[in-house]
Amino acid sequence: AQSVTQPDIHITVSEGASLELRCNYSYGATPYLFWYVQSPGQGLQLLLKYFSGDTLVQGIKGFEAEFKRSQSSFNLRKPSVHWSDAAEYFCAGVILTGGGNKLTFGTGTQLKVEL
Amino acid sequence: GAGVSQSPSNKVTEKGKDVELRCDPISGHTALYWYRQRLGQGLEFLIYFQGNSAPDKSGLPSDRFSAERTGESVSTLTIQRTQQEDSAVYLCASSPRPRDTQYFGPGTRLTVL
Repeated sequence: AQSVTQPDIHITVSEGASLELRCNYSYGATPYLFWYVQSPGQGLQLLLKYFSGDTLVQGIKGFEAEFKRSQSSFNLRKPSVHWSDAAEYFCAGVILTGGGNKLTFGTGTQLKVEL
Repeated sequence: GAGVSQSPSNKVTEKGKDVELRCDPISGHTALYWYRQRLGQGLEFLIYFQGNSAPDKSGLPSDRFSAERTGESVSTLTIQRTQQEDSAVYLCASSPRPRDTQYFGPGTRLTVL
């Protein structure tokens, strides 16, 4: 079955420290992968996406993610975290079908930033 | 419009009542999706609309759930005879075309007492 797993439910980092949020996928073929961020009371905002090509993807707000086929991973990274990055982060994937793309989401990682 | 909008933002209802949730997609977006987000869980796909094609209802959890969309505009998700397990945030997303990035609304938080 297609699935996306985020092993870490909660992560706490200090402001200015580096960040890595883990995401693993299980698909029969290479999926398209996304990272979304959800702030309290807000909808999901797309941070970045991987469709094909360069496996290192740059996104908004200084985030990047690397697609590693050998590890079935698509981890999100940021070199220096800001307090405003505190939010919940969701990894999602999809195998595009003729009819559309139904995203499969991980359960999310709640990021707390200590000042 | 500036983004996907949903109403109401919060809805509290009693068990057994029917509720209707509304989604206004970004103008010009042909694809529209509904997802459900239960507390502590990821999002679950519910239903997908694309133009005038028959919707993909494969994610609807029971026949109490239904949704409609008028052309490429507003969509309504209806839950009949609500149950406590229906309590969740219901998120709507739209995309310019089927194989494109989905843009999400702020969601409707449904609480069934």
